[in-house]
Order: sequence, then structure tokens, then C-alpha cells
Amino acid sequence: QLQVRQSGPGLVRPSETLSLTCTVSGGSISSRSYYWAWIRQPPGKGLEWIGSVFYSGSTYYNPSLKSRLTISVDTSKKQFSLNLKFVTAADTAVYYCARETVSATNWFDPWGQGTLVTVS
Amino acid sequence: QSVLTQPPSASGTPGQSVTISCSGSSSNIGSNSVNWYQQLPGTAPKLLIYNNSQRPSGVPDRFSGSKSGTSASLAISGLLSEDEADYYCAAWDDSLNGHVFGVGTKVTVL
Repeated sequence: QLQVRQSGPGLVRPSETLSLTCTVSGGSISSRSYYWAWIRQPPGKGLEWIGSVFYSGSTYYNPSLKSRLTISVDTSKKQFSLNLKFVTAADTAVYYCARETVSATNWFDPWGQGTLVTVS
Repeated sequence: QSVLTQPPSASGTPGQSVTISCSGSSSNIGSNSVNWYQQLPGTAPKLLIYNNSQRPSGVPDRFSGSKSGTSASLAISGLLSEDEADYYCAAWDDSLNGHVFGVGTKVTVL
């Protein structure tokens, strides 16, 4: 059964870059049926889609984050990564990675366990 | 503030039914399918319903989804204590050019 698991530092200083990696296991990252996505959830708040990457490297981003955001994929390592520049306290959140199935409205399943990233 | 509107809370006693609404517009629910996610306390969200009304393998048939016009609904029948969770609707928004989530509805089993 496919699993995704994110990793990276839990503390980032303001104005620096938040970097997280998601590792895919139990399945292929190089499928035409899926994107690979990042989603975040500020403490006590709702979910916000950050952006997604295809195995070819093609991406699409949340317009509100696009200027600070880079999402990339390394198929040889079965990993995809998130880099968010110039972070502020507003970027403090639990960050999830997930597989995104291509459909009428793409859905996210499964999700990683989440990583709390604090900007301070 | 989300473009998809959900009630902040809903509740019921064990065995009862609960329905959660998700209201959007022509640029999201009106023209795209809706997905629903369940987030149990302290855990990652889990896909509950996709393409408006489809259940992934392993999701009990007590959960059902529907869509009409610019609104969608998630119904939970035969409420169990284990259904206490936050529920989020989600859709693609053609105007915002991105995935959008509702603010979430907290379901309490009394």
C-alpha cells in the first residue's frame, strides 16, 4: 500500500526558507495518473493547498504563494520537495504531503502524518 | 475566509443522522466535483468521498455525499462515537485557479 512521509526541520527562522521532503514508498512516483501535493494547516485552523508536482517536473501552485514557492521532484529517490522562501509567522503550520489523483476534481489520498513547522 | 462555506459545528446522538452542507459558487462546486475529508483528532486528514458521491474502499456506507447546483452535502447515518471529527469539503476553483477547502465542520457525538 502506497505511503507518503514528510521530513524536515520543525523550526525555521523568519525570512529564511522552509524546506521539506516527502518520500513515497509502496508504489511508483512516476505515474501519469497522479500529481504529488503539499497542503498545510495552521494550528487550530483549516486546510490550505500549497501546490502540486507531476513526475515530469510540471507544477502548479496556489497563486497566493506562487512568488515564494518551489516544488520539485526527484524520481530516482522517489521524493518530492517543498521550498517556501521568506517565511513569516503566518507560515507556521502542520505541513502534509499527499498523492493527488487526477480526476474531475483531483483528490488527495493518502496523506502523510504531517510535520509541524514553526517560524520563530 | 474560505470560498466554500460550511457550518462550524454539527452534532447528534449515537444512531442519529447528521448532514453537513458545503456552499460554493459557479466557479467551484457549480462546475467541478466535490471531495470530502475526515480529520480525526490529532491525525492527518483522510479521503472520505470523491467525485461528489464515491466512497473509497474501506469507507463505511454510513457516509454518503451529494451535490446539487452550487452546494454539496455529506450525510452520516447511524452516528458512532468514532465519527467525532472535523469534516472538510474541497473543490477546484476555476477563478482562483487552485484547490479550495471549506473551513471545516466539527461533528460532535453527544
